[in-house]
Amino acid sequence: KAGVTQTPRYLIKTRGQQVTLSCSPISGHRSVSWYQQTPGQGLQFLFEYFSETQRNKGNFPGRFSGRQFSNSRSEMNVSTLELGDSALYLCASSSGLAGGPSGETQYFGPGTRLLVL
Amino acid sequence: TQLLEQSPQFLSIQEGENLTVYCNSSSVFSSLQWYRQEPGEGPVLLVTVVTGGEVKKLKRLTFQFGDARKDSSLHITAAQTGDTGLYLCAGGSQWGNEKLTFGTGTRLTIIP
Repeated sequence: KAGVTQTPRYLIKTRGQQVTLSCSPISGHRSVSWYQQTPGQGLQFLFEYFSETQRNKGNFPGRFSGRQFSNSRSEMNVSTLELGDSALYLCASSSGLAGGPSGETQYFGPGTRLLVL
Repeated sequence: TQLLEQSPQFLSIQEGENLTVYCNSSSVFSSLQWYRQEPGEGPVLLVTVVTGGEVKKLKRLTFQFGDARKDSSLHITAAQTGDTGLYLCAGGSQWGNEKLTFGTGTRLTIIP
């Protein structure tokens, strides 16, 4: 079974631009969660999508948004980029049957490393 | 805001030694997960504990969830170079808006 894939793997943007990251979950998984990982703040939960609806969310500003398509693929968008948005963005997929990311095994992708200049 | 503090932040030991990593919080969690992350990869789930006082063993790794479900520990016996990596604990909250709160991380290096 193919694992979670994320594209692109690396991205360089400038302040004020917007960016869209993509995540393809493991086949059959209906939940996709997004995380931001930085050296200073560690790994932080952004939001989770299940059946095309945002089901759970963390404490990030509205500049961070996402969506999920009918094939469970998910995209995350960050608008008006700031220097502090430089990070490794990880997505994780799971069956989604447990109600959220803490109730079952999540499988992480390798991440997209975003650098904002 | 729920916080999970891990200690130590960095740990470097010789192959064959034992070690313990701690994960502490003032908040109660419904579950506690441990992950290991290697460079260039996403975290990989090692174990999930859900009951206060629960102990789980996976070969040389022993995980414990505190009685009050606020803390956890990971003990590795006879460390091997393959154990090198970033260890992350993550607390689950299943009341209302469910989310995972990750710990600050412990970077473990096993010296051959």
